[in-house]
Amino acid sequence: DIQMTQSPSSLSASVGDRVTITCRASQSISRYLNWYQQKPGKVPKLLIYTASNLQGGVPSRFSGSGSGTDFTLTISSLQPEDFATYSCQQSYSIPLTFGQGTKLEIK
Amino acid sequence: QVQLVESGGGVVQPERSLRLSCAASGFTFSSYAMHWVRQAPGKGLEWVALISDDGTNKYYADSVTGRFTISRDNSKNTLFLQMSRLRAEDAAVYFCARDMGGSGSTWYHFDYWGQGTLLTVSS
Repeated sequence: DIQMTQSPSSLSASVGDRVTITCRASQSISRYLNWYQQKPGKVPKLLIYTASNLQGGVPSRFSGSGSGTDFTLTISSLQPEDFATYSCQQSYSIPLTFGQGTKLEIK
Repeated sequence: QVQLVESGGGVVQPERSLRLSCAASGFTFSSYAMHWVRQAPGKGLEWVALISDDGTNKYYADSVTGRFTISRDNSKNTLFLQMSRLRAEDAAVYFCARDMGGSGSTWYHFDYWGQGTLLTVSS
């Protein structure tokens, strides 16, 4: 199974900050990496698919990059509604696996 | 609009069985692969199972293989998860999720999610 490791596990930031979350795969997954946002008590929301493709309706302040084993999710200017947990997921092979999540909190 | 509505969760004793359902609407259900994903309280997301659009191909997480069965009824736009020999570690919110592919292709990520149904395993 491919293990997905996110860093950091938690992060405190302020509105307007630029934030980067990293996801590392235990083996190469090409660009088959997706990012989800989940707010407390809510359903996960797809943000980015295949490393860098912005899902429809997602603000352009979100971006993704990477290939192989190392990937990043960047929020260019944090907004109040962005405080949530972010999870990566590999779609390279079954079983599909998620990172443990990064909780983004208000500083 | 796309809607996925899960049902069937509840409290069940260890080693018992339960079937979850997911009613789909707002899209051509028979054109999309579907998944079950779960989330234990306070924990991360865990993929559980995948079924192809026509139901012929099924895949499972190691943790549920041999105990859970995914199925679908395309005539009723409904996805199922039959769970047997339940364990305490199966307790979670179970989400059904649509694969983003469609039209016979599977992309192995999830563009729409249901609200989830909670399974509690306790004696």
